Amino acid sequence: DAGVIQSPRHEVTEMGQEVTLRCKPISGHDYLFWYRQTMMRGLELLIYFNNNVPIDDSGMPEDRFSAKMPNASFSTLKIQPSEPRDSAVYFCASSPTSGRAGTGELFFGEGSRLTVL
Amino acid sequence: EDKVVQSPLSLVVHEGDTVTLNCSYEVTNFRSLLWYKQEKKAPTFLFMLTSSGIEKKSGRLSSILDKKELFSILNITATQTGDSAVYLCAVESGNTGKLIFGQGTTLQVKP
Repeated sequence: DAGVIQSPRHEVTEMGQEVTLRCKPISGHDYLFWYRQTMMRGLELLIYFNNNVPIDDSGMPEDRFSAKMPNASFSTLKIQPSEPRDSAVYFCASSPTSGRAGTGELFFGEGSRLTVL
Repeated sequence: EDKVVQSPLSLVVHEGDTVTLNCSYEVTNFRSLLWYKQEKKAPTFLFMLTSSGIEKKSGRLSSILDKKELFSILNITATQTGDSAVYLCAVESGNTGKLIFGQGTTLQVKP
């Protein structure tokens, strides 16, 4: 298996532009997580899905952020409009929980490094 | 509010030294505690601990959990330069699969 695949790996954009980050989880994993990592705040959970359904989006910073999971093999995180303070590495992770919540171990993608000028 | 606190935040040692990294937590409905290692890219899984007092071991790394005092330690013996990384502690809260991460400990091992 190729692991969790994220794209783009790097994105540089200007303030006000729309940013879309993409994630393909490991096949068969039924949990998908979006995390944001900064030096100041570390790894923060933004949102997670179980069987394509959003379960907890309390970590999404504001209405400019939205996430979707239209099917088991694809998820997007969108920021519109983007701001310089959104600059961070955004990680997608999936988990092989197979119907029982919480085996704990997450498999992370390589991350998408976003820079908003 | 659930929180996970790691200490120290950074550490510099020389090859061959032994290090102990700490993780304390206040989390409702604790389910498990996990350690990850992050080098340049994504975090990679090291250990998952669910029971107090049972040491998990992998080579020179070992970890133990104390659910009464709400902390865990990660030990690395005979450190090598390849151990240089950020070590992340995370706690799984409730029956959700949701992980709450600490700030991480940045370890630098000098030759």
